[in-house]
Amino acid sequence: NAGVMQNPRHLVRRRGQEARLRCSPMKGHSHVYWYRQLPEEGLKFMVYLQKENIIDESGMPKERFSAEFPKEGPSILRIQQVVRGDSAAYFCASSPLSFWDEQYFGPGTRLTVT
Amino acid sequence: GDSVTQMEGPVTLSEEAFLTINCTYTATGYPSLFWYVQYPGEGLQLLLKATKADDKGSNKGFEATYRKETTSFHLEKGSVQVSDSAVYFCALSDRSGGSYIPTFGRGTSLIVHP
Repeated sequence: NAGVMQNPRHLVRRRGQEARLRCSPMKGHSHVYWYRQLPEEGLKFMVYLQKENIIDESGMPKERFSAEFPKEGPSILRIQQVVRGDSAAYFCASSPLSFWDEQYFGPGTRLTVT
Repeated sequence: GDSVTQMEGPVTLSEEAFLTINCTYTATGYPSLFWYVQYPGEGLQLLLKATKADDKGSNKGFEATYRKETTSFHLEKGSVQVSDSAVYFCALSDRSGGSYIPTFGRGTSLIVHP
């Protein structure tokens, strides 16, 4: 049973470009969570999605960031016009239910903005 | 708001030494408490959890006891191995008000030498 898949594992973007991060949840999981990990800091919750719905985006920056989880295909975290401060590791987690303690994390995407 | 404070790392130990990583928390409600482990280049994995006062979570030789009176959830292991080298995150989930969004500490790096 494949775990949570994220790609790419490493992404380099120049300032002003767009970054698209993809997350395929575990089979049978319909809940997806995105987190950001800045250097020397813990994980910060960004957004919680179910299929075709955003449930909680209270941790998402108001501008340039968006997320979706379509009926078919992976969840996408999109960052427009990236800045150096967006450089971080972005982790996706999935769960079969809405209880976070059953979340399973992917390996992360390390975004570097040059 | 809720917060988690962990001891700063890195913690450097010799193999078979005793490990303690301190974690204290503040929460408005009655949270569940967790320890996650992150190995190099990987996502977080749930290590153990406790959902009420005086509960002891345990896994792979690691233990932590939910101490409500001292608002602590210290991680311990009697004899560490080189393979335990990783970053350890303390976290809480405060379900008051129906929120499942977790709060993570900044992580403590553990380095175990042969």
